Amino acid sequence: AQSVTQLDSHVSVSEGTPVLLRCNYSSSYSPSLFWYVQHPNKGLQLLLKYTSAATLVKGINGFEAEFKKSETSFHLTKPSAHMSDAAEYFCVVSDRAGLNSGYALNFGKGTSLLVTP
Amino acid sequence: DTEVTQTPKHLVMGMTNKKSLKCEQHMGHRAMYWYKQKAKKPPELMFVYSYEKLSINESVPSRFSPECPNSSLLNLHLHALQPEDSALYLCASSQDSGGVRGETQYFGPGTRLLVL
Repeated sequence: AQSVTQLDSHVSVSEGTPVLLRCNYSSSYSPSLFWYVQHPNKGLQLLLKYTSAATLVKGINGFEAEFKKSETSFHLTKPSAHMSDAAEYFCVVSDRAGLNSGYALNFGKGTSLLVTP
Repeated sequence: DTEVTQTPKHLVMGMTNKKSLKCEQHMGHRAMYWYKQKAKKPPELMFVYSYEKLSINESVPSRFSPECPNSSLLNLHLHALQPEDSALYLCASSQDSGGVRGETQYFGPGTRLLVL
């Protein structure tokens, strides 16, 4: 089974400083990885996804993530945080839901990003 | 348009009530999903419909009953719920069958359910 581990449950940054949210994956083959964001009391929005094309993936709102096979990592970064970036971020891997089932999403436990003025 | 809509936004129900949650998408997607999300936790998959047929049931209690009347609509019928069922219920859809690796799921805003 494929899984992801988000290394920080909370990250706090100042507005205008870089953001780094860490995610490691466990996979026996090339994974499909996603980052989703969830603002308070909202649904989930796709930020970006990796599906074995370019290793540096650019997403919405200035976010990007780099797939590093040697480190089994897929960290999310942004050069300059905005107040509106404060939210919960989920690293997600696509994996088989069962022996004879299709693929489903396996979520990490989430990282809560706090942006201070 | 990548919009998935859910109604109602909020729902309060007693343990003896019967209610339904509704989800709709007009993106032509053929897979639709129900997730349950407790506070400060990631979403947990409940059901997957592929081409209007139930393809995955993640051992969900029978007090939750999904229904897919057509390819655009997904319902979740609720009956005799328990207070621990209080959560955010998220609907999602994806283009293909739900069986494709790397397929993007698009989420609705959710229904926040409180069971008294």
